Amino acid sequence: QSALTQPPSASGSPGQSVTISCTGTSSDVGGYNYVSWYQQHPGKAPKLMIYEVGKRPSGVPDRFSGSKSGNTASLTVSGLQAEDEADYYCNSYAGSNTGVFGGGTKLTVL
Amino acid sequence: EVQLVESGGGLVQPGRSLRLSCAASGFSFDSYAMHWVRQTPGKGLEWVSGIGWNSGSIGYADSVKGRFTISRDNAKNSLYLQMNSLRGEDTALYYCAKDRYPNWGSALDMWGQGTTVTVSS
Repeated sequence: QSALTQPPSASGSPGQSVTISCTGTSSDVGGYNYVSWYQQHPGKAPKLMIYEVGKRPSGVPDRFSGSKSGNTASLTVSGLQAEDEADYYCNSYAGSNTGVFGGGTKLTVL
Repeated sequence: EVQLVESGGGLVQPGRSLRLSCAASGFSFDSYAMHWVRQTPGKGLEWVSGIGWNSGSIGYADSVKGRFTISRDNAKNSLYLQMNSLRGEDTALYYCAKDRYPNWGSALDMWGQGTTVTVSS
């Protein structure tokens, strides 16, 4: 159960697009389509943004999208807005009733 | 109101035990898997444990396996985490979270505000 690998930071200007990667192994990200992404603002609980690789819960703007290729999942935020500045975490099912999170990425809107 | 409320955190000495509780309301608790996730101050999220809707599937992170036990009481709409042999590295904010699915979907769509556990002598 090693943590998934995310870049510590990412940034973009308002209106731009930014993509955050999440790299695992064939035992987690690559082996299942149960990858999810969470947004966390300071002092707040995490919020589900993407589940099952690319599905959006109701209420999440379509500016947020997810994808996966091999052992790497990605979250893309298009049309960046100031309120998108937050920490983002990926999560994957890892088999045998276990899960694993990524180390988190701090997204800065310049 | 749809919510999860954790309780039971506090200051505990290394080697001692603590039991966390999570009270669910506003949704059909017995239809969804539930999870515990923790976060060390200033650090990232760590999945701790999960349990299926009928307790038929249970899993633990390697870091807590053999020391923590997850359980649920669907009649009381409650989730629990029994933590034994606590260590300093268990110090964290512990979140209770609801899965979108009865078993494992790893899609945690509702979170509580967390309860803080501090392990220190």
